[in-house]
Amino acid sequence: SQTIHQWPATLVQPVGSPLSLECTVEGTSNPNLYWYRQAAGRGLQLLFYSVGIGQISSEVPQNLSASRPQDRQFILSSKKLLLSDSGFYLCAWRDGMNTEAFFGQGTRLTVV
Amino acid sequence: AQSVAQPEDQVNVAEGNPLTVKCTYSVSGNPYLFWYVQYPNRGLQFLLKYITGDNLVKGSYGFEAEFNKSQTSFHLKKPSALVSDSALYFCAVDHGQNFVFGPGTRLSVLP
Repeated sequence: SQTIHQWPATLVQPVGSPLSLECTVEGTSNPNLYWYRQAAGRGLQLLFYSVGIGQISSEVPQNLSASRPQDRQFILSSKKLLLSDSGFYLCAWRDGMNTEAFFGQGTRLTVV
Repeated sequence: AQSVAQPEDQVNVAEGNPLTVKCTYSVSGNPYLFWYVQYPNRGLQFLLKYITGDNLVKGSYGFEAEFNKSQTSFHLKKPSALVSDSALYFCAVDHGQNFVFGPGTRLSVLP
């Protein structure tokens, strides 16, 4: 069966420090991968998605970047964090169009 | 452009009573619709989906949803609410490679 791993669960980082959040999927190949941010426990904002290795689409201009170095690995990064980067970050995968997505457990990032 | 509306920010219901969480959508073409639930500090969990076929879709934890094309709605329902159903619920529509999520509805089931 397929599983998704996202870590760390919580992170407190100072302003200006770098960020690296990792997400891996097991039990499937060539998944679509997603990074979302959820602010204040409500709506989801799509940050990046990837349909294949090295293919990254960005939905909003921001202080973050994403990479997909392997088929089932998706990394969210920042060179210098801002206070506004605080939030709950969710990784998700799906097999393709018109299928449900499966989410990781999320990372609570607090920038101080 | 695809969009999803969840007109209620908050829904309160007594335990044992039926619950409805509303969702309306705007899509071009055939809609592919989903419901997710989120518990505090957790990821979203898939509940059910409508792709085609029967308008009444049954999902996890006793939830079901009714697709109504004329009203462009996909309301989530459960005949008898449990306190453990209290959570944040998201409706979503498929949009090519992505989803468009609604803003979420917080459901509180009161004992």
